[in-house]
Amino acid sequence: SQTIHQWPATLVQPVGSPLSLECTVEGTSNPNLYWYRQAAGRGLQLLFYSVGIGQISSEVPQNLSASRPQDRQFILSSKKLLLSDSGFYLCASTGTGKSNTGELFFGEGSRLTVL
Amino acid sequence: KNQVEQSPQSLIILEGKNCTLQCNYTVSPFSNLRWYKQDTGRGPVSLTIMTFSENTKSNGRYTATLDADTKQSSLHITASQLSDSASYICVVSARTNAGKSTFGDGTTLTVKP
Repeated sequence: SQTIHQWPATLVQPVGSPLSLECTVEGTSNPNLYWYRQAAGRGLQLLFYSVGIGQISSEVPQNLSASRPQDRQFILSSKKLLLSDSGFYLCASTGTGKSNTGELFFGEGSRLTVL
Repeated sequence: KNQVEQSPQSLIILEGKNCTLQCNYTVSPFSNLRWYKQDTGRGPVSLTIMTFSENTKSNGRYTATLDADTKQSSLHITASQLSDSASYICVVSARTNAGKSTFGDGTTLTVKP
């Protein structure tokens, strides 16, 4: 099975500062990668997904961006954080082709607090 | 619009008791339905995954059912333990590119001694 490494686990940043959350995947190649945000007591909201290196699709307009510089690396960024960017961010991965069972593998999450 | 609705929103039970969580969906065309357990402050972990042809699937004390005709699923937890306290999330995927999923808001289960 896949293992998702996500860091940092916790981050407190001032409004207007930049952001970089990183995610790497082990145990598969050419995965589909996802960034989700979870508000307290709510379901996961898909922010970005990627089917390959350099290929990023955005689901909702926002202050964030994503990049996939390598096959198993996915980065969530912002140039200037807003208070509304606070939340719990989760990186996830699925396999592709025959290795795709439909199961999403999640990282441990990154809790971002913008003050 | 693809939607997944879960009920109840929260549930409190005593240790050792059974409980059932519900999930209704309108995702189409249906690919698979998954139940995840999410401990507070952690990433979700998969419990079961079911495709169109599967009616029931068990994982230890967790048993999931799927009725593809009525578009309903349930997760039954037997002989609950304190460690079952968590949020349980129903996730439904459509047969589309990238396999994007629709998430329910989850049911928060609290097991008390």
